[in-house]
Amino acid sequence: DGGITQSPKYLFRKEGQNVTLSCEQNLNHDAMYWYRQDPGQGLRLIYYSQIVNDFQKGDIAEGYSVSREKKESFPLTVTSAQKNPTAFYLCASNSGLTDTQYFGPGTRLTVL
Amino acid sequence: GENVEQHPSTLSVQEGDSAVIKCTYSDSASNYFPWYKQELGKRPQLIIDIRSNVGEKKDQRIAVTLNKTAKHFSLHITETQPEDSAVYFCAARETGGFKTIFGAGTRLFVKA
Repeated sequence: DGGITQSPKYLFRKEGQNVTLSCEQNLNHDAMYWYRQDPGQGLRLIYYSQIVNDFQKGDIAEGYSVSREKKESFPLTVTSAQKNPTAFYLCASNSGLTDTQYFGPGTRLTVL
Repeated sequence: GENVEQHPSTLSVQEGDSAVIKCTYSDSASNYFPWYKQELGKRPQLIIDIRSNVGEKKDQRIAVTLNKTAKHFSLHITETQPEDSAVYFCAARETGGFKTIFGAGTRLFVKA
């Protein structure tokens, strides 16, 4: 887990603004993921990427965008099109050789 | 695609008692089943996992059992302690892809 970092820990956004959440890993993992977690709820997949320069939509991709220009980095942009973005955002990664996903510490986004 | 159902949603036990959380999955070809523990405001952390070629796995007070025929798997925590209080998620690795499908979570309360 210590090899996955997310920043910032807390983020406040005004309505109509785009914000970008950072996720970095130094585990040399091929696959990276973004999940959204609402209070008292489970994990919903937003986007995932199996290799550099490739990514796929998850179950709730609308209003979000990602890029995967480097193996270590998988930033998530929450756009103004996302109508209810207040949530806890978790990034995860796993090696192509193993199935286990490891999570970053999360970013708590609040819309003011 | 894979679907994972988890029960119960809330579980309250007395310290020292055992706790059992059950999950079912839909894809008979799934072959990897991790369990995560998430404390309030923290990241999910892997506590135990099992592969489809094994029926049971134990790690100290935690055990997981898998019934491939019935497509269900369970987490067993013995001699529960207050620090076991958390939300527990079961998951199943989707066959042929990089996605892990999570259950909705079980909130475990251990009363001292």
